[in-house]
Amino acid sequence: GAVVSQHPSWVICKSGTSVKIECRSLDFQATTMFWYRQFPKQSLMLMATSNEGSKATYEQGVEKDKFLINHASLTLSTLTVTSAHPEDSSFYICSAGLPFGEDRVLYEQYFGPGTRLTVT
Amino acid sequence: KQEVTQIPAALSVPEGENLVLNCSFTDSAIYNLQWFRQDPGKGLTSLLLIQSSQREQTSGRLNASLDKSSGRSTLYIAASQPGDSATYLCAAFDYKLSFGAGTTVTVRA
Repeated sequence: GAVVSQHPSWVICKSGTSVKIECRSLDFQATTMFWYRQFPKQSLMLMATSNEGSKATYEQGVEKDKFLINHASLTLSTLTVTSAHPEDSSFYICSAGLPFGEDRVLYEQYFGPGTRLTVT
Repeated sequence: KQEVTQIPAALSVPEGENLVLNCSFTDSAIYNLQWFRQDPGKGLTSLLLIQSSQREQTSGRLNASLDKSSGRSTLYIAASQPGDSATYLCAAFDYKLSFGAGTTVTVRA
């Protein structure tokens, strides 16, 4: 159980274009999903928290107008990299959260397989 | 801000040797700590999750310990195999996951 998929697994786009990455929870409903970015040999960095039916919460230093997040349903969140540039080339990983704890604000996260973005 | 450090950054051992991977975190007010495996170009596979109230968790050849007061966790892999070659990440959870940069393990046949 708790399977998360991402599509596409890799994408190459030209500088200035936009690319959309999908994150789906296949066997559970996730009111909250998370988007991470990982540069080579570096740690995963949380970019934003996506909540179904509301605006995403972005981490400090992440441009919300460049990385558009939409969480339109309980099983799908999308990340759109707008006007992509070579420095946006990275490995993007999403996770879907299952809440635990009495106040249900804590999440156990299940990770997708990642999307490799290369901007030429 | 939570900072997670993993030492060493890379490790190469002959097959059969036991592995010891270290993780330290700066803020001990965590709910849990999780160890992941990442193969090159792939996503994360969760290995072990230790709740803050626990001292250790075991799964097969893997054992992870947690010492919240000192801000440390250790992952032990017994009798390493070439298939254990991967990058191992630890992550501390305090409302959000903070990851270390990982330890890249190579097990030589």
